[in-house]
Formats: sequence, C-alpha cells, structure tokens
Amino acid sequence: QKEVEQDPGPLSVPEGAIVSLNCTYSNSAFQYFMWYRQYSRKGPELLMYTYSSGNKEDGRFTAQVDKSSKYISLFIRDSQPSDSATYLCAMLEIYNQGGKLIFGQGTELSVKP
Amino acid sequence: GAVVSQHPSWVICKSGTSVKIECRSLDFQATTMFWYRQFPKQSLMLMATSNEGSKATYEQGVEKDKFLINHASLTLSTLTVTSAHPEDSSFYICSARTTGSPVDFFGQGTRLTVV
Repeated sequence: QKEVEQDPGPLSVPEGAIVSLNCTYSNSAFQYFMWYRQYSRKGPELLMYTYSSGNKEDGRFTAQVDKSSKYISLFIRDSQPSDSATYLCAMLEIYNQGGKLIFGQGTELSVKP
Repeated sequence: GAVVSQHPSWVICKSGTSVKIECRSLDFQATTMFWYRQFPKQSLMLMATSNEGSKATYEQGVEKDKFLINHASLTLSTLTVTSAHPEDSSFYICSARTTGSPVDFFGQGTRLTVV
C-alpha cells in the first residue's frame, strides 16, 4: 500500500463546475498537507498548505484536512479552463532535517469551455 | 511566493557526455534542496536531498556517481548527469526549502534528452 493514494483521473468537468480532488494516506505522523498544481512540462506550483486538521480557503480554492479519517480534499469553485492541469497532493512529517515530501500520483483535471 | 529558477529548461546531449543542471533560489536562502525525476504521466520521484555545505543524501536505487549533486551555497545547487545514456532522458525538477518553513518551492524543470 502506498503512503499516499490519489485517484489519477483523468477528470473532465464543464467550465463553472465545482471540482473535488482527494487524497488518502496511511501515515498518521504527517502534519503538513500541500496541494500543488502542475501544468504540462512545468514544475509544480504551490496552491495551498495546511498544518494539521481544518479548512483553509484562498479565493476559489478550499483545502480540507481530516486527520481522523486520514483524508484530504481540495475544492475548486467556478472552475475555469485555465485550471486544467495535474493536481498533486503532498504530505510532510517534519520540515527540518531534510524531511521529505510524499506525493500522491496526481490527478489530471480538464475543464472544458 | 518564493522563486526558484532552474536552468536550462531543456537540453539535448550526446550519449556518453555529461550535462549540468542548475537550481537557484532567487529571493530566499535554500538550506535544503531536493532533486526529482518525473516520467510522463507519473508523479515526482525523489532522487536526493542536499543540505548546504553537506554531501547529498541519495534515495535507494539512485546512483550517486552518476547523478552528482553539489549544494555549495545557500542559493545554488547543481545536478550533473555523468556519462548520460538514452535511459537518463527524463524531466528533472529541483525544489528548495528554507529554515523554519515546511513549504517547498519548485523550479520550472529541465527536460533532458540523450541521443
């Protein structure tokens, strides 16, 4: 079993739809939860990060962490064609001493005009 | 957000030659840098972790003599692919982290093609 599981998709939605992206994990020691967006042939770009459980909102994006269920989500409201990309969840136990990000497989999202 | 610049964006080299990829943090001090490799339609695979002034720590299965990593300053790390072969063709990405922050910022990636 992988430490972080993410449905690779692809996921196709019409413009304006609400998108829900999810990851599950097995390591209860993870404390930091990130969402990155990666366009084709580019490096990942940080969207949001959350420490421990709870919700965080930034514009059209909302990140949720439920540590009791070991489940995290990213919601995209009013999705736009420019949101078409691969979304990677990533998790971290500790950030000092070179703690490593553990990535999900990435979900490929396509938003159709 | 913080900016990490990776150079070159793409490179083509002949089999048997070496190629160097640079990763620079432009507006922060990168105490730790990471190097990843990514195959098409797959997630990032960590190759090595480097702390400034120390030897890099390589992941299992990554040949340290083939993938030379140097992190000589707080703003620059380099990855040198030595004696490159076609199977080394891939997308290489670096990331950088500063002290006291859990966030990694990524470079734009380098597409290496070995012919």
